[in-house]
Order: sequence, then C-alpha cells, then structure tokens
Amino acid sequence: NAGVTQTPKFQVLKTGQSMTLQCAQDMNHNSMYWYRQDPGMGLRLIYYSASEGTTDKGEVPNGYNVSRLNKREFSLRLESAAPSQTSVYFCASSEGGIAEQYFGPGTRLTVT
Amino acid sequence: AQSVTQLGSHVSVSEGALVLLRCNYSSSVPPYLFWYVQYPNQGLQLLLKYTSAATLVKGINGFEAEFKKSETSFHLTKPSAHMSDAAEYFCAVGNTGFQKLVFGTGTRLLVSP
Repeated sequence: NAGVTQTPKFQVLKTGQSMTLQCAQDMNHNSMYWYRQDPGMGLRLIYYSASEGTTDKGEVPNGYNVSRLNKREFSLRLESAAPSQTSVYFCASSEGGIAEQYFGPGTRLTVT
Repeated sequence: AQSVTQLGSHVSVSEGALVLLRCNYSSSVPPYLFWYVQYPNQGLQLLLKYTSAATLVKGINGFEAEFKKSETSFHLTKPSAHMSDAAEYFCAVGNTGFQKLVFGTGTRLLVSP
C-alpha cells in the first residue's frame, strides 16, 4: 500500500518548456488535489477533483491544467513554464468533503 | 469564506518545554479544523482533527488542540517538546459545504537541546 505517489521527485525546466506532473493513489479515494508550497505562503490549492470525471479551479489555477485520468490518477500540466512556477508541488487525496487528506512526497520544480 | 491565521512563522523552544502553536480561523459556518505536520523534504501528515465532537482533541506524538468557539481558535500544544518535534506545522479549516481545505501559512518549530 503505497498511499499517494508522485513523479518526478525533482525537475528543472527552462522558461517556456512544458511538463506533466503525475500523481496516483491506491486508497480508492474519490477526491484528489494539487497544491503548491512556497516559503511564507503555506499551501495553495491549484486544482482539485471532487470525484472522477470532475475538476475545479482552486486558488491559483493560472498557468496550469489538470486531468483526472481515472479514479487513481490526477495529473498536473504546465504548458509553458515560467520562473514564477518554481515551487514544491504536492498531490493529495481524500475520501471527499472534510475527510483527512493524504499527501504525496512532493515534486520540487525549478524553472530557469 | 474561510481563512486561517497562524501567528508566528517561527517558534523556538528548549527540549522539555511547553509547545504552543497558535491558529485562529474564520468561518461563516461551523468549521472542521486540522493540524498537519511536515518534516523536512516530506509531504504533510495529519496530527489531529476537530469535527464537532469533543472540543479537546488528542493527536499523535503527544499533541493536542482545543477548539474555542468564543475565541475562534484552535491552538496546538504539547507539554514537553522533543527534538524530533522540529518540523513545520500547518493549521487548516474546512466545512461540509466545501470540497477543499484552506491552509495557514505554517509555523516552523525549532527545538534546541
């Protein structure tokens, strides 16, 4: 039982490049989330998926797209990376609503 | 709307001293409140949660928090700090009307010998 897994762990991109961050959970959770963590700003929600087949914007969605591929997988795509997207990205999952969220180990992304 | 304020981006204590990390929330409906801990280079893990049952909530590793509606607070405490408690702590608020949580900006706990 791996919980929430994220790939890659580290990534360096040049401005304008694109990439997809992958997230998978094996807990049969309905809801999945993408956050970014920046110093002094805590965790900010980028996008979430309350259930398979639905996605919604969070607090900071600009510059990102998501895909809920199936119940297990929720990917985050940067179409044209910018230095402002340098951050640590966390994926999380939960049964939904106010249930506990389980977090992955994070992806540290640097955009130069 | 919901929001969380964590007072103090850094808190320093000596090993064996009381730990007190402050969290105040704002919510237009009865809140659900959470404390998460993040160890270096790891994701967040749940310490404890308040979901309208008992106002004093006990969590893992000896931590507890008390929900005080009159003060809109949910402060995290531990009677005696251990070196292994050094980490960043996040308070979060949610409610049954939303599918997501709002996190505070975090408090880094430093424990000195």
